[in-house]
Amino acid sequence: IAGITQAPTSQILAAGRRMTLRCTQDMRHNAMYWYRQDLGLGLRLIHYSNTAGTTGKGEVPDGYSVSRANTDDFPLTLASAVPSQTSVYFCASAIQATGANVLTFGAGSRLTVL
Amino acid sequence: QKEVEQNSGPLSVPEGAIASLNCTYSDRGSQSFFWYRQYSGKSPELIMSIYSNGDKEDGRFTAQLNKASQYVSLLIRDSQPSDSATYLCAVSRNTPLVFGKGTRLSVIA
Repeated sequence: IAGITQAPTSQILAAGRRMTLRCTQDMRHNAMYWYRQDLGLGLRLIHYSNTAGTTGKGEVPDGYSVSRANTDDFPLTLASAVPSQTSVYFCASAIQATGANVLTFGAGSRLTVL
Repeated sequence: QKEVEQNSGPLSVPEGAIASLNCTYSDRGSQSFFWYRQYSGKSPELIMSIYSNGDKEDGRFTAQLNKASQYVSLLIRDSQPSDSATYLCAVSRNTPLVFGKGTRLSVIA
């Protein structure tokens, strides 16, 4: 593993199903983020974690939950998927939580909810 | 709601010309400013970061920041077809980055 790994790369699921998007980084970055990207709306922050054991809500947190049990992993869970959650999801990390630090992005997970 | 505004484009420039991408932000306390490039179907990658007023140059790229006007720009000199992508402006005040919606740049050979 080098950098950030997201899984799955792509997924189609039925509305109402539970889904977890996985994100793992091997850079020992303290801060991790989940963004969704939709055409015409840009990148919007869902949840973030400044350090292991802490999480925070971003701009569009409804319908999503996260956990940060350790430094490396930051899974995003959709408890009951809805079609409006169809999007490309990007996990990102930074060395520290301060805004001066550069984000490194994963390759993204394309999710389609039918 | 902190906002970052960009012209969505597309901005079309001929090969070899200077491309000028602009961004305004609403949070006057913002301290960190970034330009990311995103190719279609790929993840964003950092092009430039700038933290103080003035210009910062890196190769063909120059970032310009004017905090009084709440304005940050990216100039791409000698534009190449490989520069064709969406450019995302991002801003932060010791908080998670807020991104603009991006400007799509097309460099015509």
